[in-house]
Amino acid sequence: NAGVIQTPRHKVTGKGQEATLWCEPISGHSAVFWYRQTIVQGLEFLTYFRNQAPIDDSGMPKERFSAQMPNQSHSTLKIQSTQPQDSAVYLCASSLAGGGAEQFFGPGTRLTVL
Amino acid sequence: QQKVQQSPESLTVSEGAMASLNCTFSDGTSNNFRWYRQHSAKGLEVLVSIFSDGEKEEGRFTAHLNRANLHVSLHIREPQPSDSAVYLCAVSSNNAGAKLTFGGGTRLTVRP
Repeated sequence: NAGVIQTPRHKVTGKGQEATLWCEPISGHSAVFWYRQTIVQGLEFLTYFRNQAPIDDSGMPKERFSAQMPNQSHSTLKIQSTQPQDSAVYLCASSLAGGGAEQFFGPGTRLTVL
Repeated sequence: QQKVQQSPESLTVSEGAMASLNCTFSDGTSNNFRWYRQHSAKGLEVLVSIFSDGEKEEGRFTAHLNRANLHVSLHIREPQPSDSAVYLCAVSSNNAGAKLTFGGGTRLTVRP
């Protein structure tokens, strides 16, 4: 079991460019979560899919951020017109089911916006 | 909105001495508590999960939950230098669905 796979591991973008982050959940897991980690804010929830359907996006910034799960094997987080304050480690997690099932985290993608 | 706070922010212990970390939460309906460990530049590793008041042991890691006091703790028995990492408390509740709310973390350093 390869665990949750996130690509790329590091991404550097210029201000105003678009960034797309990829997540491959553990095979058989039906729930996928995205979190963001910064020194100042800590680790914050962004959004959550179950069986590919968006369930909770209460943590997503209202503008420029979007997430999709087109099939059960991957999810993407897209940030349009990136800003320096978007610099963070973006973590993806998956679980067997929603609710209180244990979430297994990937290694994260470190996004740096210059 | 759930608030999760951890103390202390940093902790240094000697190898073999017990390490105790604290976590308080604000939502009394919380029912799912997990302790994660994060080594530098690596993902989160779950150490112990606890769902009811009392104690839960996983190897050298023991969690204590007291929901009336809105408090959960982690005790590490015989810590080793390889246990040096950031420890994160994560809480969820039925009201909030599946999402985890994390504390700010405790950075543990274990001296040989």
